[in-house]
Amino acid sequence: EDQVTQSPEALRLQEGESSSLNCSYTVSGLRGLFWYRQDPGKGPEFLFTLYSAGEEKEKERLKATLTKKESFLHITAPKPEDSATYLCAVHENSGYSTLTFGKGTMLLVSP
Amino acid sequence: DTGVSQDPRHKITKRGQNVTFRCDPISEHNRLYWYRQTLGQGPEFLTYFQNEAQLEKSRLLSDRFSAERPKGSFSTLEIQRTEQGDSAMYLCASSPQGSDTDTQYFGPGTRLTVL
Repeated sequence: EDQVTQSPEALRLQEGESSSLNCSYTVSGLRGLFWYRQDPGKGPEFLFTLYSAGEEKEKERLKATLTKKESFLHITAPKPEDSATYLCAVHENSGYSTLTFGKGTMLLVSP
Repeated sequence: DTGVSQDPRHKITKRGQNVTFRCDPISEHNRLYWYRQTLGQGPEFLTYFQNEAQLEKSRLLSDRFSAERPKGSFSTLEIQRTEQGDSAMYLCASSPQGSDTDTQYFGPGTRLTVL
């Protein structure tokens, strides 16, 4: 059973068309939830860390929110340069610092 | 540039050969991680170091894989007798130790192709 599930797998938007990406998780105890952006052929780039339900963080056109079962990455008025794969990862209260990633959402923003 | 660096960026090898990758973490980060990522998947954890101690290894890490971090700074990941299934992007990440510092910062990765 997957611990981290991201949806949709792929999303195509027109420039300026706002939308949300979903990350649902099933862990016994959440220590932190992370969002990363990954461009083709590159390593993941850190965006946000969320620690508790109700927490929100913003950066430019992106806003991440967290509930007890899922997280959303809201993209407001996206631009073509926002095109990338967005990865969600969770860190459990297991004693170690390893992250469990979802498969990602591939976002394409057309001009 | 003070980010995580990895070398080489690309490696093409023949099946059965040994390969070694290097990772230099962000200065003063004492935690270092190796992940593997295949096309269409998220990164999968391989192993974790705190300083020079290897504290956790994934079941994915077969006996052909070995990682070291001899002085608690850079790390190497060696794959012996490579197989075609080892073809993937190998990612290194680092993080500082502390109560609110779980965030891992990734390097650019090493793309391995086994022919």
